[in-house]
Amino acid sequence: QVQLVQSGADVRKPGASVKVSCKTSGYPFTDNYIHWVRQAPGQGLEWMGRVNPKSGSTNIAQKFQGRVTMTRDTSISTAYMELSSLTSDDTAVYFCARRRNLLPDYWGQGTLVTVSS
Amino acid sequence: QSVLTQPPSASGTPGQRVTISCSGSTTDIGSNSVNWYQQFPGTAPKLLIYSNDQRPSGVPDRFFGSKSGTSASLAISGLQSEDEADYYCATWDDIPNGVVFGGGTKVTVL
Repeated sequence: QVQLVQSGADVRKPGASVKVSCKTSGYPFTDNYIHWVRQAPGQGLEWMGRVNPKSGSTNIAQKFQGRVTMTRDTSISTAYMELSSLTSDDTAVYFCARRRNLLPDYWGQGTLVTVSS
Repeated sequence: QSVLTQPPSASGTPGQRVTISCSGSTTDIGSNSVNWYQQFPGTAPKLLIYSNDQRPSGVPDRFFGSKSGTSASLAISGLQSEDEADYYCATWDDIPNGVVFGGGTKVTVL
């Protein structure tokens, strides 16, 4: 069955960076893009961007351009999202999700990133 | 502020029918298909409806999706206590080329 398993919760100081991993299984990794979506406490879902596991090309939402890097390692079927210059506004749960017909279908369990001094 | 507009809340008694609207524009819902997700507190969203009106395997047929023009709807018939959750619509936006979500609707079973 399709599974996306993310790295564990992380605490970072303002100005630092965080890298979240998303290990996939149950389907050919290079067949589907990976979306990254975040959810601030008590808020809705916010799309951050997507990565093409086959080529490595990315499409980053304008709000995050310059601060987000999305990469992948095809040898271990894993996608990564790195967010830099963290502020308290970046405290959120970060989700990866497989793309089907442009939109997310299967989701990872989420990774809580807390930004605090 | 979300690109797609949903009511913040909806409610009904067990057995009733509840409908959630999702309003967009010509470049998003008007041009692309809509998904609906169900999310319980502390968990990841789960795909409930894809391609406007298709249910993934395992989703009860009490959940019904539809789309017309620049709007979409999710109907829950025979409301059950286990349906109490947050519901989000989503679609692709051709401008500026990305996924957009509704703000979410909290469904309460009275």
